[in-house]
Amino acid sequence: EPEVTQTPSHQVTQMGQEVILRCVPISNHLYFYWYRQILGQKVEFLVSFYNNEISEKSEIFDDQFSVERPDGSNFTLKIRSTKLEDSAMYFCASSKQTGGGYGYTFGSGTRLTVV
Amino acid sequence: QKEVEQNSGPLSVPEGAIASLNCTYSDRVSQSFFWYRQYSGKSPELIMSIYSNGDKEDGRFTAQLNKASQYVSLLIRDSQPSDSATYLCAVNTGTASKLTFGTGTRLQVTL
Repeated sequence: EPEVTQTPSHQVTQMGQEVILRCVPISNHLYFYWYRQILGQKVEFLVSFYNNEISEKSEIFDDQFSVERPDGSNFTLKIRSTKLEDSAMYFCASSKQTGGGYGYTFGSGTRLTVV
Repeated sequence: QKEVEQNSGPLSVPEGAIASLNCTYSDRVSQSFFWYRQYSGKSPELIMSIYSNGDKEDGRFTAQLNKASQYVSLLIRDSQPSDSATYLCAVNTGTASKLTFGTGTRLQVTL
């Protein structure tokens, strides 16, 4: 069964450093998403991406965050200057059609720890 | 603020029993409803989707939707220890893509 692949599985970074989280969505999917889950809390929407541009973003997704699809397969989330409160599990997801109507396939996640 | 509410649990049921998980949502224009299962430290896994009022069955799982009451539920029949996980309710209001998740209900199936 096709999978959404995320790397790395765990990243430790110092506060103020930039991190890039990488995702390879399912190949025939057109819609891409990033969510995060702080330990013990709910899964929160960050951003959706379609046709090489952001289609929707949440209040969490401020100027410190950016997304990019640098080639035909990768989808990245960049956090420019990490804060302690950015420590969370970050999930990439993709869907063939607009995921709000059909649900998504999530990747296995990247655990980001900011120290 | 569009909210999705779930009882955090834990909900404890004996093996073989029916587990009933409930979810309410605040936005009346919500159109699509999903149940995800999340094992500890893992990513959410889609197990059911429902769009119309009534019941939808898939194996041991039945999703129930009542839009008038803004209520969606998940029944798990013949519960197994492997069903022990957190069950997340997620709702889409019909805008492009965003899903709003509840905090999840932790289910424990005891031997």
